[in-house]
Amino acid sequence: SQTIHQWPATLVQPVGSPLSLECTVEGTSNPNLYWYRQAAGRGLQLLFYSVGIGQISSEVPQNLSASRPQDRQFILSSKKLLLSDSGFYLCAWSPRLGGEQYFGPGTRLTVT
Amino acid sequence: GENVEQHPSTLSVQEGDSAVIKCTYSDSASNYFPWYKQELGKGPQLIIDIRSNVGEKKDQRIAVTLNKTAKHFSLHITETQPEDSAVYFCAAVPTYNTDKLIFGTGTRLQVFP
Repeated sequence: SQTIHQWPATLVQPVGSPLSLECTVEGTSNPNLYWYRQAAGRGLQLLFYSVGIGQISSEVPQNLSASRPQDRQFILSSKKLLLSDSGFYLCAWSPRLGGEQYFGPGTRLTVT
Repeated sequence: GENVEQHPSTLSVQEGDSAVIKCTYSDSASNYFPWYKQELGKGPQLIIDIRSNVGEKKDQRIAVTLNKTAKHFSLHITETQPEDSAVYFCAAVPTYNTDKLIFGTGTRLQVFP
């Protein structure tokens, strides 16, 4: 069966510090991968998605970036965090086009 | 592009009652509609989905109905239990980009014992 991992689970970082969140998927190959952000009590905002290694589509201009160095690894980064980057970051994978997405457990980021 | 509207934003029911959450979509060619349940502090969990070639799908106490003509779909939860309390999101796949899901804004369901 497929599983999706995210780490860390929680993170507290000062403004201006760098960020690296990691997501890995097991039990599947060639998945679509997604990064979402969810503000407290709000909906799901798609940040980036990837349909293959090195292929990244950005949905929202911001100081975040994403990379996919391996087929089942998706990384969300920032060089300098802003207060507004605080939120719940969710990684998801999809087995095929136009199909269901499966979410990871999330990373709660607090920028102080 | 695709737009998904979800109502109500909050819903409170007594244990044992039914709950209905409705979503409308704008892209008439959309053909896949999943529903997610998100418990506090966790990632959303896919609970049921429906494709445009069927009008209804059931899984124990939950069901989803799709009206393609009216472009709306609904989640029905019968015999609600306190553990059904969560935020529910509907979604649709836009035909302009089938790699994505367009989500509704969520419904916070509270089931009171």
